[in-house]
Amino acid sequence: DTAVSQTPKYLVTQMGNDKSIKCEQNLGHDTMYWYKQDSKKFLKIMFSYNNKELIINETVPNRFSPKSPDKAHLNLHINSLELGDSAVYFCASSQDRTSTDTQYFGPGTRLTVL
Amino acid sequence: AQSVSQHNHHVILSEAASLELGCNYSYGGTVNLFWYVQYPGQHLQLLLKYFSGDPLVKGIKGFEAEFIKSKFSFNLRKPSVQWSDTAEYFCAVNVGGATNKLIFGTGTLLAVQP
Repeated sequence: DTAVSQTPKYLVTQMGNDKSIKCEQNLGHDTMYWYKQDSKKFLKIMFSYNNKELIINETVPNRFSPKSPDKAHLNLHINSLELGDSAVYFCASSQDRTSTDTQYFGPGTRLTVL
Repeated sequence: AQSVSQHNHHVILSEAASLELGCNYSYGGTVNLFWYVQYPGQHLQLLLKYFSGDPLVKGIKGFEAEFIKSKFSFNLRKPSVQWSDTAEYFCAVNVGGATNKLIFGTGTLLAVQP
């Protein structure tokens, strides 16, 4: 059983397009996250939701909009894609927002913007 | 701002060699420390974590890490590596507070030669 799943696994698109990445967790966790991993493998948090409430919003262009329809899902919508958005995007979840909670990661979505 | 440094970007070892990967963080207060591993083609998974208590922490697959507060370090060790340990290793820090925000290092790619 997949704990944290993401779709699609690969996404290739043209500049200027709008795309979405979906994330689902079946662990019953309350908190979910989006991370971006750049070409140098540097992982940086983008957003976090706790019970559908936004609790972390790092300095991310407003072209990126997370949406949490319920606590098991956190989707990432990106408008007007740019070359610099090419990266691997990881979704993660944890039991709650406590700083000692382990985060469980999804398999990642490799986004390539041409 | 808090940061995490992993000075070894790429490490090559032979099987049965001992491993030590460095991790240093910049933050003067209480921290929670993590090591994650990403095997080829797989998602990140937790190796071990430290919150408090014994500074020598044991994790899965024979890994351990030692928290040295005076050196702001949390180095990862394994006495004898195997070919299956080939992976990318990420150190991460959480400075607590109201959110579970992980700050990652840039990762160390370990290649174990049979």
